[in-house]
Amino acid sequence: AQSVAQPEDQVNVAEGNPLTVKCTYSVSGNPYLFWYVQYPNRGLQFLLKYITGDNLVKGSYGFEAEFNKSQTSFHLKKPSALVSDSALYFCAVRDLTNFGNEKLTFGTGTRLTIIP
Amino acid sequence: EPEVTQTPSHQVTQMGQEVILRCVPISNHLYFYWYRQILGQKVEFLVSFYNNEISEKSEIFDDQFSVERPDGSNFTLKIRSTKLEDSAMYFCASSERKTSGRDTQYFGPGTRLTVL
Repeated sequence: AQSVAQPEDQVNVAEGNPLTVKCTYSVSGNPYLFWYVQYPNRGLQFLLKYITGDNLVKGSYGFEAEFNKSQTSFHLKKPSALVSDSALYFCAVRDLTNFGNEKLTFGTGTRLTIIP
Repeated sequence: EPEVTQTPSHQVTQMGQEVILRCVPISNHLYFYWYRQILGQKVEFLVSFYNNEISEKSEIFDDQFSVERPDGSNFTLKIRSTKLEDSAMYFCASSERKTSGRDTQYFGPGTRLTVL
């Protein structure tokens, strides 16, 4: 089984400050981890992913995420928040070891609001 | 940049009616998916489709649902007899078929289905 938890429904950050959106996961094998962002009336946009290798992965719009195997976490970060980063962020996981398993399992989402 | 497109953006139907939701995946992609998001809840996997057959489906995807690739570009989700609880945002996604299995799924903007 695979699952994702996003412990915060809402995160508020002042513009220019660093931001973190938290995600923890559970898989029985090797995780394939994603962050997607949803702007109002838009679909889910791919931000970044982790498969193997460097634990710090960089993605679109200056976002990055840190994979921590011991804590089973994949937190999304950005050094300096912009008002335009305000959106709904989803973490997702897929168990790579389970061949034939194609589905992504999503978290409940975190609404990020950047305050000017 | 290639995108997944979906039509219509909003569909209103009466309970018991059939609906067909349409998607045009990214042109060189071979794997197709449907997900849904009931208002205020997480994004849930419905079905994946490859090589003209269902690859994987969730317990949500019962006999009321069917998928089809009627031509070289469209991918459809049919709900035979809609229920109130089918009201949700339905997302189509597509991915390349990499031999490593390390695909990234790209999502469309969604169709909001309202069942009255």
